[in-house]
Amino acid sequence: DGGITQSPKYLFRKEGQNVTLSCEQNLNHDAMYWYRQDPGQGLRLIYYSQIVNDFQKGDIAEGYSVSREKKESFPLTVTSAQKNPTAFYLCASSIVIAKNIQYFGAGTRLSVL
Amino acid sequence: LAKTTQPISMDSYEGQEVNITCSHNNIATNDYITWYQQFPSQGPRFIIQGYKTKVTNEVASLFIPADRKSSTLSLPRVSLSDTAVYYCLVGDMDGAGNNRKLIWGLGTSLAVNP
Repeated sequence: DGGITQSPKYLFRKEGQNVTLSCEQNLNHDAMYWYRQDPGQGLRLIYYSQIVNDFQKGDIAEGYSVSREKKESFPLTVTSAQKNPTAFYLCASSIVIAKNIQYFGAGTRLSVL
Repeated sequence: LAKTTQPISMDSYEGQEVNITCSHNNIATNDYITWYQQFPSQGPRFIIQGYKTKVTNEVASLFIPADRKSSTLSLPRVSLSDTAVYYCLVGDMDGAGNNRKLIWGLGTSLAVNP
């Protein structure tokens, strides 16, 4: 089955802790994206990557970090600098020349303890 | 900068046709207009995309006027399972006419009642 897998589905963060959200795809897509979704605010882009070992900040990158060491994987770390991390996080992928058609994972819901 | 505007919510009944309009100005001249559907606690799912005029697939139709300042997603004969949030997605354009980035609408929450 081709698709995007996000894990875990639910995650809890303690104050001062960094947590990492996993995103894996087997669609052979070059481009991958991380979005944050809050109620009533739609999707906001955190980071995106169009090729291995390269990534760009999106609109709300502060307090987050990413890596792209493999084509299939694009993990997102929510650092302790992100003071309001409670949200629904979505990972997506696309082919570079058709980035408006994105395939999404099922999301990770992050809460603060 | 491109900006999108969608109604926050809409109500309908089973069997009716539903039209959701997204207004968008300053969008990239060379990019598609795309619509997604999202169910609670799931990722959005691509529904349809178009460049101009009308596009139809097995799920929906998309109407885009010549000036491309809006687009209308049409869902024929909705059922309870069409209750979801619908997003438009457009490309932003810089002063040179280049496509800079994608802009998501804030979504329209559609409730289909029995």
